[in-house]
Amino acid sequence: SQQGEEDPQALSIQEGENATMNCSYKTSINNLQWYRQNSGRGLVHLILIRSNEREKHSGRLRVTLDTSKKSSSLLITASRAADTASYFCATDGNTDKLIFGTGTRLQVFP
Amino acid sequence: GAGVSQSPRYKVAKRGQDVALRCDPISGHVSLFWYQQALGQGPEFLTYFQNEAQLDKSGLPSDRFFAERPEGSVSTLKIQRTQQEDSAVYLCASSLEGTGSDIQYFGAGTRLSVL
Repeated sequence: SQQGEEDPQALSIQEGENATMNCSYKTSINNLQWYRQNSGRGLVHLILIRSNEREKHSGRLRVTLDTSKKSSSLLITASRAADTASYFCATDGNTDKLIFGTGTRLQVFP
Repeated sequence: GAGVSQSPRYKVAKRGQDVALRCDPISGHVSLFWYQQALGQGPEFLTYFQNEAQLDKSGLPSDRFFAERPEGSVSTLKIQRTQQEDSAVYLCASSLEGTGSDIQYFGAGTRLSVL
């Protein structure tokens, strides 16, 4: 079974708007990662945040982590049509394997 | 190669047939992971190798599923006597070391359809 859930399940926005996705997980972690998956393709790593970090930035991406609530959020600022994809959070659950959430499908309209 | 390569990209099997899915990881990557992704869901862990050693196979759904990585590089996921519920995308990923803190690099996947 999957580690956690993401919400919303689907999100539609216009280019230029910000997109926020949330992830909740169940067990303690060493780190949390976010991946993007374009339709019919493999996953691409976006960003990793460690359990002792609260916020991390990479370009137009901002990730927050609240270990007390076992939750994380991914913010994409100034979205582009090319950001259209599914986004997954993944945790290590203090193991060597990744456990993925259910994903958020983001649609950005030009 | 430059990335993780999986073959075939698409596989159609009749129920009861055996299939073999291949993964060629990034050169030098110690760890290799297999995931199963059902339509509209996130990937689910199947099994994991560090070099040729299979360290975790807790996610394999049944004894019809078998994976190997005999020389610590290319891996094969074999499914015997395929069933319709095996229809999914099978993703392979590799990482440099294989700890939970590592970034995993994914192949494009093999889409298996069992008729």
